Amino acid sequence: KAGVTQTPRYLIKTRGQQVTLSCSPISGHRSVSWYQQTPGQGLQFLFEYFSETQRNKGNFPGRFSGRQFSNSRSEMNVSTLELGDSALYLCASSLPGQGTFFYEQYFGPGTRLTVT
Amino acid sequence: GDSVTQMEGPVTLSEEAFLTINCTYTATGYPSLFWYVQYPGEGLQLLLKATKADDKGSNKGFEATYRKETTSFHLEKGSVQVSDSAVYFCALSLLGGSNYKLTFGKGTLLTVNP
Repeated sequence: KAGVTQTPRYLIKTRGQQVTLSCSPISGHRSVSWYQQTPGQGLQFLFEYFSETQRNKGNFPGRFSGRQFSNSRSEMNVSTLELGDSALYLCASSLPGQGTFFYEQYFGPGTRLTVT
Repeated sequence: GDSVTQMEGPVTLSEEAFLTINCTYTATGYPSLFWYVQYPGEGLQLLLKATKADDKGSNKGFEATYRKETTSFHLEKGSVQVSDSAVYFCALSLLGGSNYKLTFGKGTLLTVNP
């Protein structure tokens, strides 16, 4: 079974631009989560989607947004890029947790975003 | 809020040495606990997990026991190998509600020398 794929793997953008990152989950997985990884802040949760609906959101400004399509693929968008947005952006997919059950998350290799 | 604290790295060991990476947590509810590993240039891989008190997660020679009384989930391995060199993350997830996310520690870089 193919793993989580993320495109592109590397990206260089200029401050003020916007960027869109893509994530394709493992087949059959309908929950997709996004995380930001930086040396200073570590791994931080951005948001989680299930059935095209955002179920949970981390403490990030509104410049960070996402969406999920009917085939469970997800995109995240960052507008008006800042230098501090340089990070590794990780996508994870899982079966959808419900109630008191949390399924383990499978991570993609990440997209390395550099803002200059 | 919920948080995970793990020992600062880097940790450098010789092959076949004993490994312990400490992890403690603070949570408002009853969390599930995880250890993830990240090899250079790759995403995170689940190493082991425990979902209730006194559970022991184990995989590839690594072990961790869920200690509710000390709010800890320390990672151990009896004999490390060079191939274990990676960054290790402790994480928690709360059960219930709509809180479907992982809260991670800062990570501990492990280097194993031959």
